[in-house]
Amino acid sequence: DAKTTQPPSMDCAEGRAANLPCNHSTISGNEYVYWYRQIHSQGPQYIIHGLKNNETNEMASLIITEDRKSSTLILPHATLRDTAVYYCIVRVAMNFGNEKLTFGTGTRLTIIP
Amino acid sequence: DGGITQSPKYLFRKEGQNVTLSCEQNLNHDAMYWYRQDPGQGLRLIYYSQIVNDFQKGDIAEGYSVSREKKESFPLTVTSAQKNPTAFYLCASSPGAGGVVGELFFGEGSRLTVL
Repeated sequence: DAKTTQPPSMDCAEGRAANLPCNHSTISGNEYVYWYRQIHSQGPQYIIHGLKNNETNEMASLIITEDRKSSTLILPHATLRDTAVYYCIVRVAMNFGNEKLTFGTGTRLTIIP
Repeated sequence: DGGITQSPKYLFRKEGQNVTLSCEQNLNHDAMYWYRQDPGQGLRLIYYSQIVNDFQKGDIAEGYSVSREKKESFPLTVTSAQKNPTAFYLCASSPGAGGVVGELFFGEGSRLTVL
């Protein structure tokens, strides 16, 4: 699986868009980009994933560059409850039931009132 | 409500003692996973099970054991052979076809401290 690089920490003002970058320059053509977040002392929560097209759901948007070497998770209107550690994970296509994911150290996002 | 229940939330153990962490899910998920998290670190996979009566080692299985006798349950035993067992343990499950591949559902975790 490709390695990812994320900034260790970021701040964002409440109500503004939070843009979390992830570098995955060694990504292969069959590897997906997944994003999870972990609020303090809780289990991680799935946010979104994509292959090469931009994706949007009720939680966030995922922008993947054309060369797929980097991506950005966008939280459009950050709230205090978005304060968490955000993990960017790159993984080959998985089969159901074989969804082993490797979580790095992620980006600690702090939303400032 | 459907979800994953881990117990106990906090556990203290003396060195040399085995301890079992419970993980129960009522989501009807086939696959279940155990992860370990140390302070300021990411998650590392201990064991996972794709189906009842079958399980595979993850990246750090040494000193741990699991069983999967029922679909709903995937208990983890931290044995005395685990050299540094103090950590936050997370159980997860994933749905089969019809769900989102790669979407894991996590419990609230169990924090084990060895005294």
